[in-house]
Parts: sequence; structure tokens; C-alpha cells
Amino acid sequence: GENVEQHPSTLSVQEGDSAVIKCTYSDSASNYFPWYKQELGKGPQLIIDIRSNVGEKKDQRIAVTLNKTAKHFSLHITETQPEDSAVYFCAASLFNDYKLSFGAGTTVTVRA
Amino acid sequence: DAGVIQSPRHEVTEMGQEVTLRCKPISGHDYLFWYRQTMMRGLELLIYFNNNVPIDDSGMPEDRFSAKMPNASFSTLKIQPSEPRDSAVYFCASSEAARIGGNTIYFGEGSWLTVV
Repeated sequence: GENVEQHPSTLSVQEGDSAVIKCTYSDSASNYFPWYKQELGKGPQLIIDIRSNVGEKKDQRIAVTLNKTAKHFSLHITETQPEDSAVYFCAASLFNDYKLSFGAGTTVTVRA
Repeated sequence: DAGVIQSPRHEVTEMGQEVTLRCKPISGHDYLFWYRQTMMRGLELLIYFNNNVPIDDSGMPEDRFSAKMPNASFSTLKIQPSEPRDSAVYFCASSEAARIGGNTIYFGEGSWLTVV
């Protein structure tokens, strides 16, 4: 099955700086890569996703890049704000396959 | 939309007791998922349903775990008998049939289970 590795496990950044989280996946057939944000006491919430026919996708301060050859994808958060503090999960699956394989999560802390 | 609704939000029970977690998916969603989240194992898919039919239960850890979906608006996850190692946050999630934009899965706020 698919194995997703996520790094780093914790990330502390100064407000206004950028944060980058990286994930690698094992199954070259995977073609759908969502990112979820989980705030304390809440369920994960989708923030952005990318399909393998796209190399980069951006939504305001967040962006995701995908390198199919290397089988890795990354989340970039620019101009970080305190409300960006949360746990972020990457995931991978086949498009239209609902068995998402999640990374272990990255706890992001934005220092004021 | 009310989102995925789970109950109870918190449950503390004694080892050996039966635990029932409940879920109401988003109206109109065809897929329902049960996930378990622990520090050690992260987010694990336990089982998912499509149109009330269980599709894949390979993630259900043991026979002590069972899940049902009697209708499109209700599902239960039951643990009988419960053990301390079942302590975790259990998430229910739902999704509509995949569209061009992808198969977004919407999570509930979770049921925090502690078995003592």
C-alpha cells in the first residue's frame, strides 16, 4: 500500500516568515495529494489539493508543489500569521479512490 | 450546512464496556468514513461506506470493532468489549461522489474516547 512520510514533525516560525512542509510517497500510481489543517480540538479540514497533472497550485498565502519524478510534494505558507498555528497533514491516493494515506503530521507554531 | 455531526464528543468508559459512537454525515454525501487518530499511529482509516454499503473494512483492527450504516443519514461505530488501547479520537467523515475538483473529505470534530 501507499506510504507517506512527512517532515518535519514540528516547525516553529516567526510571524511573517514562510513555512515549508515536505512529504514523500511510495506508490507512483498515486495522483491526488490533499493537505489538511487540524486545529486543536477539531477535525482535519482540507486547505488545498493538487492532482498529478499539475506541478503547482496556489491559493492566497498557501501553495503546493508536486514533483512526480521524485515522488514528493510540499506545502508552502507565506507571510505566516498566528492563526496558521495548527497540525498539517499531507495525504496521497488515487484520484476517485477514497483511501487516503496520511502523513504523520507537522505541528506548526507561529511565534508572534 | 451543519457539517458532519458526531456524538458523543467525549466519552470515558471502563474496560470491558460497550462503546457506541454516532455520526450524521453531510446531507447528500454518498461516502462515509470512520477514522481513528492516535499519537502513535496517526490518522488511520477504519472503514468506509458508499451508499450505506460497507466498501472496505480492512482497517478495522479487531472483531471487537463493528460499524453500521442503516440509512444515508446515520452511522455507528461500536467497540465491544472496549480496551484501554482503544483510547483515541475517532473521526467520522463524509464525501460526495468525486467531481472534477477532487474527492474532498469533510471531517467531523471527533469523539474523544478514553478507556480506563
